[in-house]
Formats: sequence, structure tokens, C-alpha cells
Amino acid sequence: AQSVTQLGSHVSVSEGALVLLRCNYSSSVPPYLFWYVQYPNQGLQLLLKYTSAATLVKGINGFEAEFKKSETSFHLTKPSAHMSDAAEYFCAVSPMNRDDKIIFGKGTRLHILP
Amino acid sequence: GAGVSQSPSNKVTEKGKDVELRCDPISGHTALYWYRQSLGQGLEFLIYFQGNSAPDKSGLPSDRFSAERTGGSVSTLTIQRTQQEDSAVYLCASSPGQVGNEKLFFGSGTQLSVL
Repeated sequence: AQSVTQLGSHVSVSEGALVLLRCNYSSSVPPYLFWYVQYPNQGLQLLLKYTSAATLVKGINGFEAEFKKSETSFHLTKPSAHMSDAAEYFCAVSPMNRDDKIIFGKGTRLHILP
Repeated sequence: GAGVSQSPSNKVTEKGKDVELRCDPISGHTALYWYRQSLGQGLEFLIYFQGNSAPDKSGLPSDRFSAERTGGSVSTLTIQRTQQEDSAVYLCASSPGQVGNEKLFFGSGTQLSVL
């Protein structure tokens, strides 16, 4: 069975500062990993996904995430935060070797301070 | 349609009543999920349909919850004898369903309020 843990239900960073949102996963088989974003009053949309092609994955709006098997992590980063990045971010996992369900973490709400 | 459609967008009901929530996935998508989103709980998996396979019901919180998917398309989530703790946003998502690494397309959700 797979699971996802997101450390920090709320994270605040100053505009222009580094954004780091943490995600650790547990999976008995190699995983697919995803980050989804939910902007205020909008639906969830895919930010980026890891599918084993490359450990560093680039997504929309300047975000990227690095798959680290030894740490079972898939942390999301952005070098310089923008006010428009304020949203809720969800990490998700599904098994790679079979068509199984996608499980989401509890989410991290990112606040951007002016 | 162009996207995943959910209805109603808002539902207010009295404790003990039954409710039905509807999801129209993107045409041709074989995978369909129901999730529940409540404050502090993130996206809670409820049920997963994939083609003609038996649905994965492992996330349904109690036997008051059930879901069906007719003709491999429209899905209905039914909550019987609603309780106040059922209040949440119920999200439906679909994907083409060919491989496990596809992105999910989410609907706008149904906000359920149980009084």
C-alpha cells in the first residue's frame, strides 16, 4: 500500500524567498509521484509529475521537484516566491507497475508574505 | 463536454436525509475517482472505478456511502442517512485510464452541508 506525508499544513514565505514544500512517500513498489495545486476558488490542477524519466522534474509556474529514492522524498521548490503562488499544494502517489489508485497527502497551504 | 462536470454545485440537507451527487467525466475516460475534501483532512480517497474492473471501494468511510458508475460513464455517489460529519466538498476526477501516470482532471466539486 502506498501513502503520502506532507510536512506542515501551513507554510509562510516572503515574496521573493525560496519555496520548499515537503513530501515523503511510502510505496512497496516504485512510484509515480505528483504535485497538484489548488488556487483559491479554483479546481485542482496538475503542477508536475515524476514518471522515472528524470529525477528532477520541472512543472508550471517555475516550480520543480526532485525525486530522491534514498530519502523517499519528492519535495517541491521554487527559487523565488510570487504573490500568485498562494494556494494549497497536494502531493500524490500511485504505484508504477500497475494501474492502481492515486493517493493524496493532506495538503500544504502556502502563504506569501509581502 | 469539455471537462469533468459535477452536480449539484451546492447541496444543503438535513441530518438523516439521503443525498445523491453526480459526476460526468470527460468522454472516453475510463478511470473515475471520488475524493472528499474537508478542512485539515486534505483529499480523502473514497472510491476508484477503472473500466470494467471491480471498483476499489477501500476508501468509503462507512456503509452509508455507495457509488455506482453506469455504462462506464456517469457516476453517482450516494450518502444515506447523512450526518453532520459528512459535510465537505466531494470531488470527482477522471483520467484516460490507460496507464497509472496520467494526470487527473478534476471537477469543481459539490459542497455538501448537513444541518
